[in-house]
Parts: sequence; structure tokens; C-alpha cells
Amino acid sequence: DVKVTQSSRYLVKRTGEKVFLECVQDMDHENMFWYRQDPGLGLRLIYFSYDVKMKEKGDIPEGYSVSREKKERFSLILESASTNQTSMYLCASSLFGASGRSYEQYFGPGTRLTVT
Amino acid sequence: AQKITQTQPGMFVQEKEAVTLDCTYDTSDPSYGLFWYKQPSSGEMIFLIYQGSYDQQNATEGRYSLNFQKARKSANLVISASQLGDSAMYFCAMREGRDGANNLFFGTGTRLTVIP
Repeated sequence: DVKVTQSSRYLVKRTGEKVFLECVQDMDHENMFWYRQDPGLGLRLIYFSYDVKMKEKGDIPEGYSVSREKKERFSLILESASTNQTSMYLCASSLFGASGRSYEQYFGPGTRLTVT
Repeated sequence: AQKITQTQPGMFVQEKEAVTLDCTYDTSDPSYGLFWYKQPSSGEMIFLIYQGSYDQQNATEGRYSLNFQKARKSANLVISASQLGDSAMYFCAMREGRDGANNLFFGTGTRLTVIP
């Protein structure tokens, strides 16, 4: 079974702190994703990566950065946390699509981040 | 314009009855994939079913089926014989293009409540 793990289920940080959210997958997937989920807005893509050291901006990258130094690990960084970044953060991974094949994304359990 | 629209914020269904959750999508790409995910109160996202734009038949997975109407750009999820454990948020998502990073666009979700 694919397993995607996230470093924390719940996290409380103060405004201005630097925050690291870690995600690890164990199925050798090329693609990894970071989403945030807010009530009434669904899931919105922050960043994704299709290879080591590669990253692409999603729909809402402002205030976030990412790092992918190893294939299995994708980190989301909040350089200076703000209260409007209080949210649920979901990490996902998938195989790289080829020849028209779509692959489902496998999600981690989520990190509920509160910034006070 | 929204790529994925789910117009039902909440739905109720009697146990053992069937229910349809609506999803419409917007894309000009001839190659795309449509996904449904379930999110129970525990928070994890569970992949349910997939439909490719070139698939001739509607996808089915156990009690889940996808009513794919390409001309209407709709991809409704049908759950037959509802169970109490089906109570959850349901998200429709779409991937555009043939290959690559399998980036998904999500709808805002429908909260399904199964009544005993």
C-alpha cells in the first residue's frame, strides 16, 4: 500500500515564525503536491514537484516555498507565518502520467496548522 | 472560470437508498481525467473512482459509479445502497492534458449525510 506521511497532525505557531511541514512517501512516486484546504473553498494547490529539485507554482504560492532534495520527501515552508495561513495542509503523491494515463493522487493525513 | 463545480454543499440520503452527487467541469483540452475522492471526518482523502475522457463506458467501482456525460461536461457520482459509513465530504477533481504531473483541480465538495 502507498503510504504518505506528514510530520505533524496538529501544529500551533506564532505569527512571524518560520514553519516547516514535512511529507514523505514510500512508493517511489515522481510527483508530489502540497494543498491547503479551507471550508467552502475545497483543496487549492500551493506547489507541486515532478522530480527531485524541480518545483512548480500552483494556484496560491504566495507566502510559501518548497524543497525537494530527495525523491521521497517534499517540504512546505512558511517563511514568516501569518494568521491567514491557518488551515489544513494536505500532501499528496502520484506516479508521473505517461501515454495519456492518469494516476490518482495518494494523500497524507493532513496537518492542521494554527497561527496565532 | 471554475474548472470544477459542485453545486450541492450538502446532501441527505436514507440508508440503503441511492444518491447522486453532481459535478460539472470546464476544459478545452480533449484529453482529461476525472476523479472522485471521499474525505471522512478523520480527514484523510480516499480515492474512489476515475473516468478518462476517452473512456467509452462509465466507470464503476463496487457501489460507486460515475455518470459521465461528455457533451454536458458532467461527471456525477452515484452511490448505490448508501451506508452510514458513506457520510463524508466528497470531492470531484479533474486533470487536464495527457501526460505529466497529474496536477488536479478540485471542486468545493459536497457533504453527504446518510440517515439511518
